[in-house]
Amino acid sequence: DTAVSQTPKYLVTQMGNDKSIKCEQNLGHDTMYWYKQDSKKFLKIMFSYNNKELIINETVPNRFSPKSPDKAHLNLHINSLELGDSAVYFCASSQVGAGLFREQFFGPGTRLTVL
Amino acid sequence: TQLLEQSPQFLSIQEGENLTVYCNSSSVFSSLQWYRQEPGEGPVLLVTVVTGGEVKKLKRLTFQFGDARKDSSLHITAAQPGDTGLYLCAAPRDDMRFGAGTRLTVKP
Repeated sequence: DTAVSQTPKYLVTQMGNDKSIKCEQNLGHDTMYWYKQDSKKFLKIMFSYNNKELIINETVPNRFSPKSPDKAHLNLHINSLELGDSAVYFCASSQVGAGLFREQFFGPGTRLTVL
Repeated sequence: TQLLEQSPQFLSIQEGENLTVYCNSSSVFSSLQWYRQEPGEGPVLLVTVVTGGEVKKLKRLTFQFGDARKDSSLHITAAQPGDTGLYLCAAPRDDMRFGAGTRLTVKP
């Protein structure tokens, strides 16, 4: 029974296309995240959603837009894909307590390749 | 500069050897976490340390949080091929910030 699931696992697309990555968590967590991991394996947070409200938005191009239909889902939509968007995208969730960050549960990742 | 500096970046050793990897910062943290990421998968939490000077053991892995809560180390005793992976430290700063990781390869 997968805790955090993402689809698709692999995504190959042309420059300029629009694509979405879906994420679902069945842990009952109140916060979900999107991370980007580049070719050097550096994991950088992109977005964080808490109770359907965006609480962190890093310096990410506005071509990227997170959409949360409910507490268990946080999808990532990307417009006008560029070569530099190629990376592995991870969804994660956690139950954030007061003053102490809880364990981040990561999905298996989506490897996006933009040609 | 990154909030968390990890060293070494790469480490390749033989099975049975001991190793230590480091996570350093100039900032003070309320807690620090270590994750391991295997190829094709997401990171998985190994440990959270919260008290300065704290030492936690997880089988052959020993984690230490610096007295000043600015740094941490991970020591592996008698490394095994199954320890191969990317080791990431992470700390809260508005959100969770990750170091660049140490990529460990343990050869049989």
